[in-house]
Amino acid sequence: DAKTTQPNSMESNEEEPVHLPCNHSTISGTDYIHWYRQLPSQGPEYVIHGLTSNVNNRMASLAIAEDRKSSTLILHRATLRDAAVYYCILYFGNEKLTFGTGTRLTIIP
Amino acid sequence: DTGVSQNPRHKITKRGQNVTFRCDPISEHNRLYWYRQTLGQGPEFLTYFQNEAQLEKSRLLSDRFSAERPKGSFSTLEIQRTEQGDSAMYLCASSSGLAWDTQYFGPGTRLTVL
Repeated sequence: DAKTTQPNSMESNEEEPVHLPCNHSTISGTDYIHWYRQLPSQGPEYVIHGLTSNVNNRMASLAIAEDRKSSTLILHRATLRDAAVYYCILYFGNEKLTFGTGTRLTIIP
Repeated sequence: DTGVSQNPRHKITKRGQNVTFRCDPISEHNRLYWYRQTLGQGPEFLTYFQNEAQLEKSRLLSDRFSAERPKGSFSTLEIQRTEQGDSAMYLCASSSGLAWDTQYFGPGTRLTVL
């Protein structure tokens, strides 16, 4: 399974942008980059995914490096509700998800 | 769309007892996944179904574990002769099975084995 590397934890002030990095130097050409997050005492929830181009949705933006060896999840204006563990996952689709330990994001009021 | 539901949400049992968990996926989702999560770790894959067929099982799924999805709708995960090491959150997810489709997770069942 392709591996991703994320910082164990990050902090951000409320209402400021947050940039969550992910390194995936062994990504293959068919791997999509998926992000899930897990709020306290809940199951993971899908955030966003992309292949080569930057992606935006109502929750976040995903910036993908040109060589695809790294990506950044961007929360444009963090709220307390965004405090969660964020997982960066390489996923071909229609198979199991392989989670790492993720980044624990703390939002400071 | 009511989301993925799991029952019970919490289960406390004594070592050696059998337990069964249920997962109801999003209706018409033909793929159903089971994961296990221990404290401080990300979820780990256990097994998945395409309709009623169990297509893959992890090495984590010892012979004390069995999962079924008899009519391709809900699924059950049974653990026989529970051990303290089985204490974890058991998560269920479903997807439509279409290419690039995302998985939708339930809230999980937290198992504590005393």
